[in-house]
Amino acid sequence: GIQVEQSPPDLILQEGANSTLRCNFSDSVNNLQWFHQNPWGQLINLFYIPSGTKQNGRLSATTVATERYSLLYISSSQTTDSGVYFCAVGRKTSGSRLTFGEGTQLTVNP
Amino acid sequence: DAGVIQSPRHEVTEMGQEVTLRCKPISGHNSLFWYRQTMMRGLELLIYFNNNVPIDDSGMPEDRFSAKMPNASFSTLKIQPSEPRDSAVYFCASSLRWQGYGANVLTFGAGSRLTVL
Repeated sequence: GIQVEQSPPDLILQEGANSTLRCNFSDSVNNLQWFHQNPWGQLINLFYIPSGTKQNGRLSATTVATERYSLLYISSSQTTDSGVYFCAVGRKTSGSRLTFGEGTQLTVNP
Repeated sequence: DAGVIQSPRHEVTEMGQEVTLRCKPISGHNSLFWYRQTMMRGLELLIYFNNNVPIDDSGMPEDRFSAKMPNASFSTLKIQPSEPRDSAVYFCASSLRWQGYGANVLTFGAGSRLTVL
């Protein structure tokens, strides 16, 4: 199956800092989503971005499908950004199945 | 919309007992997914349904696990008999499956934390 690698596995920031999270995948995809799992375990969809660039407030994401990677940018980080960020990908041949990466654990300190 | 509703939120049971987890997807969504999350294996897809029909159950661990979707607004995941290694958080998610941009954007429920003693 498709392999999804996220980096870095752990990231510690001071409030106000910027960060970039990366997701590499091993095959062509037609579905890519970023999720945030907060410290209470809730999984929130941040972006649907199989290609191109999107922005939502302090967060933005870019997927370069031809080079098989996606980046999630967090600017002016806040303590509420803490949690685990997951990238999930799907291929047309896999129907609606999404494969999740292992996530990046982000801790933002005040 | 109230989002994806899962119950129970927490379940503690003894080995050998039957466990039933429930899910109500977002109204109008036609795809439903059951995921399991553990520290060792991360987020794994167990099974998903399109229009109430099971499409891919290759992630279901073994015959002890079964899932049903009798109608568009309700699904169950059953474990019988339960074992300690089944302890995990089980998530239900739903999406609107269509062929256009934005297809299959998943919305997750809050999860059911299962502990099997």
